[in-house]
This record gives sequence, C-alpha cells and structure tokens, in this order.
Amino acid sequence: EVLLLESGGDLGQPGGSLRLSCAASGFTFSSYAMSWVRQPPGKGLEWVSGISGHGGNSYFADSVKGRFSVSRDNSKDTLYLQMNSLKAEDTAFYFCVKDRRFYYDTRSAFDMWGQGTLVTVS
Amino acid sequence: SYELTQPPSVSVSPGQTATITCSGDKLGDTYVSWYQRRPGQSPVLVIYEDAKRPSGISERFSGSNSGNTATLSIRGTQAMDEADFYCQAWDTSSAYVVFGGGTKLTVL
Repeated sequence: EVLLLESGGDLGQPGGSLRLSCAASGFTFSSYAMSWVRQPPGKGLEWVSGISGHGGNSYFADSVKGRFSVSRDNSKDTLYLQMNSLKAEDTAFYFCVKDRRFYYDTRSAFDMWGQGTLVTVS
Repeated sequence: SYELTQPPSVSVSPGQTATITCSGDKLGDTYVSWYQRRPGQSPVLVIYEDAKRPSGISERFSGSNSGNTATLSIRGTQAMDEADFYCQAWDTSSAYVVFGGGTKLTVL
C-alpha cells in the first residue's frame, strides 16, 4: 500500500521557519517526482514546489520562490520542505503528493496524496 | 501567470451526466488532469493526460481537452460523487503546475 505521511506542521511566527517532512512507503520513492501542494482554509489547491526523482531539478511557485526550498533523501524515502520567512498567507494544509512520472513535464499528474499537515502562521 | 478557470458550482440530478469545464489559453496544447476531493478526504486523481483513468476509477468518469477548454464528465451521477473537483495543467512557459479554482458538484 502506498503511504505518504507528512509531519512538521505547527504554529509558526511571521518571519520564522518551519520544516515539513513526508515519509513515503509502498513504492520505489526514487523513481518518481514529488510535490508539495497546499490548501488555505476555505480556498482551493495551490501547487507549492516539486522535485524530480533524482532531486536534480526543483520548481517553485512564484508565491514561495526565494523563501521555500525542497529536497529529498532517497536513502530514507523522505521528502522535505524548508519554509523560511513565513507569511500569514502561508497558512494552509500542506499535502505531500507523488507524481506519476520521474520528471516534471506536461504529462505530470499526482496519483497519490498524503493526509496533509497544518501550518498556521500567526 | 497561467490561469485555469472553473465554474464555482455545478448541480446535477441523480442519474444524469455532470459536466465540469476548465478553461485556459490554448489549454488543448497541453495535458489536463482532474482531481476529486470529498469532504474530509485528500484529493484523488480521476483523470490524467486529458482522458485516461487511473486504476480503480469508475468508467463513469471521462475527460476531453480541445482548444481552450477541458471537460470532465460524470455519467450516471450518484450522491457519492458530490465533491470539489479541480483541474490541473503544466504551464510550459513558467515550468510549474497550475490548478483551477475548483468546482463544487452538488447532486440534487
């Protein structure tokens, strides 16, 4: 069974930092690109960041570029999101998601989602 | 930045076909995925690459994409289909993923 378990969600201060982790199991982690997607309370889904299967390519939404970084440890089957310079608008549920593909391209689609972890910036 | 536009809500009677649209500039030149999010649950991929269904997804779900509009159709709609639906595409000019604003499907 494919499982994605996020952790690290917490109450953070404006200007502060938080680090999210996502432990993956049930599939060959290094063979797939991974992303973080967030959903602010009462709003829709927003893609935050993605990283290719080998970790050599990473992408960020304009709203977090320069503040967030993404990484992965394929030896530990774990994805990370380092969130710096937090803003109130970063408040959201953050989902760890698995892509169907190794690289990001026009065929990218997210076929497995974690349960999400709540980040509150206040 | 690239934007995908969905109607905020769609209503359908049980047994009828629900149609949810997603519009974007030259959307037909890229691939679209669709996600269903039931209340209290994580999103589920129901359509990828415009019209393909993942394993385990009902044949009642189908998709198409042409011109500036992608469409998700749900045939024989049931109460269990009530959810928020989101379209998603890859913006090749900026190299990132874009979601539509979401459509709340109500089965009356």
